[in-house]
Amino acid sequence: IAGITQAPTSQILAAGRRMTLRCTQDMRHNAMYWYRQDLGLGLRLIHYSNTAGTTGKGEVPDGYSVSRANTDDFPLTLASAVPSQTSVYFCASSERTGVIYEQFFGPGTRLTVL
Amino acid sequence: AQSVTQLGSHVSVSEGALVLLRCNYSSSVPPYLFWYVQYPNQGLQLLLKYTSAATLVKGINGFEAEFKKSETSFHLTKPSAHMSDAAEYFCAVSGNTGKLIFGQGTTLQVKP
Repeated sequence: IAGITQAPTSQILAAGRRMTLRCTQDMRHNAMYWYRQDLGLGLRLIHYSNTAGTTGKGEVPDGYSVSRANTDDFPLTLASAVPSQTSVYFCASSERTGVIYEQFFGPGTRLTVL
Repeated sequence: AQSVTQLGSHVSVSEGALVLLRCNYSSSVPPYLFWYVQYPNQGLQLLLKYTSAATLVKGINGFEAEFKKSETSFHLTKPSAHMSDAAEYFCAVSGNTGKLIFGQGTTLQVKP
């Protein structure tokens, strides 16, 4: 079934540890996004990529990094996790960048940093 | 700059009753507006979108929304609620960059 997969589904992490959240899409979409969802704040964009080889900062990029080595994969790395990064993380993709292109969302990764 | 405000973090309706979820936006450019639904433990799914065509937009599952520029609103409605409509709903706005700005979300509870 075409779509977006995210791994892990959930994770408990000690503060200071490094963590990579994985995201893979099989729709050959050019644009990909990472959001975090926090109660009362909705979803906020962390980083995005308009096409393979390019990335950009969203609304809340501090403490996170991304790479886009190919079309399908868009991993999100927390170099040194802090408790404020406890959240649900969603990866999304769209055919291209632009409002007419629907964003499709993965099932999310629930991350707890202790 | 753009922003979205969803009025009411929690809305409760009886099955068969009208659903009204409120969304007001702020945008310095002509906005594109979206409603997404999130069922428990799932990702977001697009319900409908306004992209400057018809002001009354029909979406999936019987939902619709009306763009009112004078009121800077994009409220989501459904004439008759079903139990399966219980979920969290997000309004979002975008300019021509394609980046979405989400509201804080409204949880819809449907009582039997």
